[in-house]
Amino acid sequence: NAGVTQTPKFQVLKTGQSMTLQCAQDMNHNSMYWYRQDPGMGLRLIYYSASEGTTDKGEVPNGYNVSRLNKREFSLRLESAAPSQTSVYFCASSSGVLAAQETQYFGPGTRLLVL
Amino acid sequence: QKEVEQNSGPLSVPEGAIASLNCTYSDRVSQSFFWYRQYSGKSPELIMSIYSNGDKEDGRFTAQLNKASQYVSLLIRDSQPSDSATYLCAVNRSGGYQKVTFGIGTKLQVIP
Repeated sequence: NAGVTQTPKFQVLKTGQSMTLQCAQDMNHNSMYWYRQDPGMGLRLIYYSASEGTTDKGEVPNGYNVSRLNKREFSLRLESAAPSQTSVYFCASSSGVLAAQETQYFGPGTRLLVL
Repeated sequence: QKEVEQNSGPLSVPEGAIASLNCTYSDRVSQSFFWYRQYSGKSPELIMSIYSNGDKEDGRFTAQLNKASQYVSLLIRDSQPSDSATYLCAVNRSGGYQKVTFGIGTKLQVIP
């Protein structure tokens, strides 16, 4: 099992460009998440999907959109990239069964630089 | 006040010593507490979870929870250079999986 996979690993964008970060999991998990990690800020939740067909905003959703394509895949789109979106983006998944006791499994991350 | 507070470190300990990592949280109704390890340039991975007051041991790792003091800690016994990483404290504030808040992490350096 590959666990959680993310593409691309690295990306450089110019301000105003758009891109989609892809995430897939093969653990049959119901819940999926997108985080960004910045120095001194910790991991912050951008969007999450409790189950296939549902998405909700997290702590820092502005400038992002998501699509839960199916149970396996959850994509994050930047419509018009800004330098403030330079960050490391992690996708994660969890079973969606245990609620408060859920363990989240993280993908390898995407390092994004917006010039 | 931050919801989950950790000292960013670095915390330096000699090889073989006990490393003590601390975390405080602000939401008194928090239910679940997690410690993730993150090596430089890698993704976080869960090493311990704890849900009730007291100690929970797993190999060289012990998680300690004191809900009255809103305090959770991670002890690493017989620290090894391979334990050098950033340790993230995560708190599930109110029962929903979307309510997990992460601290900024404490960087641990184990000196050979």
